[in-house]
Amino acid sequence: AQSVTQPDIHITVSEGASLELRCNYSYGATPYLFWYVQSPGQGLQLLLKYFSGDTLVQGIKGFEAEFKRSQSSFNLRKPSVHWSDAAEYFCAVGGRGGSEKLVFGKGTKLTVNP
Amino acid sequence: NAGVTQTPKFQVLKTGQSMTLQCAQDMNHNSMYWYRQDPGMGLRLIYYSASEGTTDKGEVPNGYNVSRLNKREFSLRLESAAPSQTSVYFCASSPLTGNTEAFFGQGTRLTVV
Repeated sequence: AQSVTQPDIHITVSEGASLELRCNYSYGATPYLFWYVQSPGQGLQLLLKYFSGDTLVQGIKGFEAEFKRSQSSFNLRKPSVHWSDAAEYFCAVGGRGGSEKLVFGKGTKLTVNP
Repeated sequence: NAGVTQTPKFQVLKTGQSMTLQCAQDMNHNSMYWYRQDPGMGLRLIYYSASEGTTDKGEVPNGYNVSRLNKREFSLRLESAAPSQTSVYFCASSPLTGNTEAFFGQGTRLTVV
């Protein structure tokens, strides 16, 4: 069964600084990978996803993520953080079997200082 | 575009009471899920339904039952609520299970006293 680890529970960055949120997964084959964002009191919104092909994927709100098979990682990056990016971010992994479920990491809370 | 709709948004129960959380999606998705979210625990899968007529246990199914009423609706029932079930519950749907993105409802905040 697949699993996801987000090593950082809480990250604080200054507005305008770059951001990298880490995600490591465990799965026997090439997984489907997702990053979601959750603003306070809201549901989860998809930022980006990786299914196959180019290992650098672009998402909404200026985010990107890179799939590195050798490191079993799918880290999320943004060159310049805005105050509105403060939220909780979840990495998720899905399997390639037709009935394999989506599994989430525990999340990383991002605080943005002015 | 309604997407995934959960009712109610907030609920307070007394220990031992029962209730059903409702979820409906209008995207013709095959798969539906119930997650609970607790501080520091992320989202944990309670039950999921890969397709109409099937349901399977997730990571934390104890104390819950589900019904996939039809393709649109997937309900979560607490037969005898316990304080440990105080949480935020999210319903989600996806075209297929695990290999497509999931779309989430706005959540139900449940408090059991």
